[in-house]
Amino acid sequence: AQSVTQLGSHVSVSEGALVLLRCNYSSSVPPYLFWYVQYPNQGLQLLLKYTSAATLVKGINGFEAEFKKSETSFHLTKPSAHMSDAAEYFCAVSSHTDKLIFGTGTRLQVFP
Amino acid sequence: GAGVSQSPSNKVTEKGKDVELRCDPISGHTALYWYRQSLGQGLEFLIYFQGNSAPDKSGLPSDRFSAERTGGSVSTLTIQRTQQEDSAVYLCASSLTRGGRGIGEQYFGPGTRLTVT
Repeated sequence: AQSVTQLGSHVSVSEGALVLLRCNYSSSVPPYLFWYVQYPNQGLQLLLKYTSAATLVKGINGFEAEFKKSETSFHLTKPSAHMSDAAEYFCAVSSHTDKLIFGTGTRLQVFP
Repeated sequence: GAGVSQSPSNKVTEKGKDVELRCDPISGHTALYWYRQSLGQGLEFLIYFQGNSAPDKSGLPSDRFSAERTGGSVSTLTIQRTQQEDSAVYLCASSLTRGGRGIGEQYFGPGTRLTVT
């Protein structure tokens, strides 16, 4: 079975500060991993994905994530937070049918 | 081009009534997924279609839930005899992959917010 755990349901940062959202996964097969963002009252938008190529994955809006097999982690980072980054972020792992198994989400607040 | 669309955007229904939720995937996308997002359960997978077949229905919570897909395109999720615990946002996604390990992006629609009173 596959699962993901997102540490911290809420993260608050100041504008311009580093963003770090944590995700750990469990998978019996090499995983495909994703980060999605959800803005208020909107659907999910893909930020980035890891599909067994480069371990450092760059996504949209300046986000990136690093796949670390030894730590079973796929943490999301952004060097400098912007007010527009305030949203809910979901880490997900895919199964053999490509269905996504999501973490519980992390709400990011950005303060001026 | 057009993204995934869902209708209605909001639906309020009385307990015990049946509801139908519609999903129009991106043209040409062979795979279609339904998910449910609720406060108590987070984001849950419901069902996966490859073409008109549903090889994975493992997430449907009860036999009151069913879904079909016709012409390899539009999908309808039906909930019979709705209960208050069915209140949630129902999300549809589509992708070009056939399943297996060839992964493609899933594109999500805006969702249908269902409220059962």
